[in-house]
Amino acid sequence: GAVVSQHPSWVICKSGTSVKIECRSLDFQATTMFWYRQFPKQSLMLMATSNEGSKATYEQGVEKDKFLINHASLTLSTLTVTSAHPEDSSFYICSARETPLATKNIQYFGAGTRLSVL
Amino acid sequence: AQKITQTQPGMFVQEKEAVTLDCTYDTSDQSYGLFWYKQPSSGEMIFLIYQGSYDEQNATEGRYSLNFQKARKSANLVISASQLGDSAMYFCAMRGLTQGGSEKLVFGKGTKLTVNP
Repeated sequence: GAVVSQHPSWVICKSGTSVKIECRSLDFQATTMFWYRQFPKQSLMLMATSNEGSKATYEQGVEKDKFLINHASLTLSTLTVTSAHPEDSSFYICSARETPLATKNIQYFGAGTRLSVL
Repeated sequence: AQKITQTQPGMFVQEKEAVTLDCTYDTSDQSYGLFWYKQPSSGEMIFLIYQGSYDEQNATEGRYSLNFQKARKSANLVISASQLGDSAMYFCAMRGLTQGGSEKLVFGKGTKLTVNP
């Protein structure tokens, strides 16, 4: 299957600082990437849909200014958690969908990033 | 709106035996896709198998098969010959729409599978 790389896998930061998470599709192009958040022992919650060359689409209740998304190329999307606070501590995971769209539209996921804000 | 229901919070199976993980769905779409993902303790989401609503045969991928019963709106995952490495969370998902009208995955709450030696 297609490979999605996510970096870093784990980050600890001080409250008030910003953290950038990268999501790369290694062997395919992805017009669309997705950012999810997962709380312990819960399912994935879609935060936003990242579209190459255009603004991201955020789900209801997700702060656009808190979670900045940039999708500058067909293989890279970044999520920046700005002015992070302890309540932002969570597991963030990205996915990418192949372009052009295949029938199955499978989303391939990165390994996730555990963010701990002190 | 699409909805996925996984009623088994946890399942246990003996090594080398088969296990079925339940998934029911709700959608008003005529064409849809169903997915199963595996999430080990490391956190990554691993794609296992896909079933299209118009696929006439149940999907199979190695030891994984999907028992698709369209009339009952169920898409159960069957893992044959369980291995210790199969211990993980398993999520059933289907395609839905974001607020912006683009596609997204709608996930169930997951089932934690434990394979006993």
